[in-house]
Amino acid sequence: EPEVTQTPSHQVTQMGQEVILRCVPISNHLYFYWYRQILGQKVEFLVSFYNNEISEKSEIFDDQFSVERPDGSNFTLKIRSTKLEDSAMYFCASRSTGSVQFFGPGTRLTVL
Amino acid sequence: KNEVEQSPQNLTAQEGEFITINCSYSVGISALHWLQQHPGGGIVSLFMLSSGKKKHGRLIATINIQEKHSSLHITASHPRDSAVYICAVEKTSYDKVIFGPGTSLSVIP
Repeated sequence: EPEVTQTPSHQVTQMGQEVILRCVPISNHLYFYWYRQILGQKVEFLVSFYNNEISEKSEIFDDQFSVERPDGSNFTLKIRSTKLEDSAMYFCASRSTGSVQFFGPGTRLTVL
Repeated sequence: KNEVEQSPQNLTAQEGEFITINCSYSVGISALHWLQQHPGGGIVSLFMLSSGKKKHGRLIATINIQEKHSSLHITASHPRDSAVYICAVEKTSYDKVIFGPGTSLSVIP
């Protein structure tokens, strides 16, 4: 069964460092999303991406964040200068027309 | 006010019990999702509903659009059903998913 994959599963970084979280959506999917979940809180939307551009972003998704689909298969989330409060589980999701969103297993980001 | 609410927040059940988790929402939606999150953190989509009822194995999901309410039922619960169950909605098709706070279910043998 096709699945969304994410790498790494756990990323530890120092405050102020750049991180790139990688996702490989399901191959025929057209809509891509990033969500995050701070420990103990609910999952929050970050950004949606369609047709090679951002279709919507939340207030959380400030200038420190960017997304890219560099090669037609990977979908990346970059945080330019990490803060302590960026520590969270980051989920990628993808969907095709009319389908549910398929979620990746998540990347746990720890900022020290 | 949260757009998606769930009850109960926590639920403990004996193996074999029939379980109901409720979700209410305050916005117009195109679809409602039920998701499962295990302790490891991964999220699995269980159902997407826009009307009526869906069944998959021991899981049943219903939605009442007029009342802005959905329920997830688990029949003959089992310890492996222990997880956080999350209700989430989309306001429009292909929209982001807005998550509820989750219901933490623990099924005791």
